Amino acid sequence: QQPVQSPQAVILREGEDAVINCSSSKALYSVHWYRQKHGEAPVFLMILLKGGEQKGHDKISASFNEKKQQSSLYLTASQLSYSGTYFCGTEDGGYQKVTFGTGTKLQVIP
Amino acid sequence: SQTIHQWPATLVQPVGSPLSLECTVEGTSNPNLYWYRQAAGRGLQLLFYSVGIGQISSEVPQNLSASRPQDRQFILSSKKLLLSDSGFYLCAWTLGGTKNIQYFGAGTRLSVL
Repeated sequence: QQPVQSPQAVILREGEDAVINCSSSKALYSVHWYRQKHGEAPVFLMILLKGGEQKGHDKISASFNEKKQQSSLYLTASQLSYSGTYFCGTEDGGYQKVTFGTGTKLQVIP
Repeated sequence: SQTIHQWPATLVQPVGSPLSLECTVEGTSNPNLYWYRQAAGRGLQLLFYSVGIGQISSEVPQNLSASRPQDRQFILSSKKLLLSDSGFYLCAWTLGGTKNIQYFGAGTRLSVL
């Protein structure tokens, strides 16, 4: 089953923060986060393995709560370049495939 | 370094015509290969994946088929296209293992008219 992301869409002003949530009904082995600009292919941001780790990349970080089968992506001090659609991808430790979430469209305005 | 090539970038085909999209990966051996479809404004739907030559797993029963004739080549085909086959087709590769990070090609935008 497809992970559910929330919110579906969000508009931010430059410098504001945002949180994108990803929730799965299945036990998870890992969670991926990708960003897709309009008309382009998705680009990998980060991966979190089970163990409740957190990761950070510049001003974008993420957490993974395997007990709750949830992950959150945190964007701080947003920049115009953060605009795009964010997808989480989950692995349940099965057949080396990733199931992508419903997507969150993020728009950062000046 | 590894690169993935996908072509063509755009394609307009009439209903009922055949389809062949090709994807090749350079700079790595024995990658896992994937075909995804993305409808306009929607998420990524996994169509097929392959963990080796001749090994194809189908995720969604449909009008499409996939083949992997060589280690780093993945082909998506259809004998007769339907209107519903329109979309953005993405090929991806991974090294598998514990970190199954998906690296995507540039995609093919298919319009079936």
